[in-house]
Amino acid sequence: KNQVEQSPQSLIILEGKNCTLQCNYTVSPFSNLRWYKQDTGRGPVSLTIMTFSENTKSNGRYTATLDADTKQSSLHITASQLSDSASYICVVTLILTGGGNKLTFGTGTQLKVEL
Amino acid sequence: DSGVTQTPKHLITATGQRVTLRCSPRSGDLSVYWYQQSLDQGLQFLIHYYNGEERAKGNILERFSAQQFPDLHSELNLSSLELGDSALYFCASSVDQGASPLHFGNGTRLTVT
Repeated sequence: KNQVEQSPQSLIILEGKNCTLQCNYTVSPFSNLRWYKQDTGRGPVSLTIMTFSENTKSNGRYTATLDADTKQSSLHITASQLSDSASYICVVTLILTGGGNKLTFGTGTQLKVEL
Repeated sequence: DSGVTQTPKHLITATGQRVTLRCSPRSGDLSVYWYQQSLDQGLQFLIHYYNGEERAKGNILERFSAQQFPDLHSELNLSSLELGDSALYFCASSVDQGASPLHFGNGTRLTVT
């Protein structure tokens, strides 16, 4: 069964600190891996998309890495801010032969940034 | 603002009833996806349409159906509602069929009583 597992489930850090979130997946073959940020009660917002041939992608203070051999990805947040408090979701895309695609979502890491 | 509009924002209805959720994709986007998010659960893929045609189905119940109209807006119909159908239902759109970012609406919160 194709799965996407994230760790930790939740994390509390102090403002200004860095943190790294992990994603392990078994989806194969996959087309791209995405990280989304979801604020409570809102729709997810895309942070990064990486194809299997990319191993790092940055978006401001967010840097995602991908190791397609070990099927692991990480999201590193630098100099955290209170507004970073949200759920961070790892998503693996499988593009189907008929032209559609199936996105498999992890259950997310709930990050809380405190003063 | 993602540019994806979902209506209504909240819906409260009784078991056994039928509801329709509506989604207007971002201008220029041809793909529309529907997802269900139950309390403390990850997003579950329901169905994907591209330019009016169904492209992929996830774990969508037979009581649920969807369509994408010629103007590209989409509707998700939920019938014979059960308590367990209470969830946030998200619509997302993208310009293509899998390589581009998905833009999510802010969801419709369905409560079945």
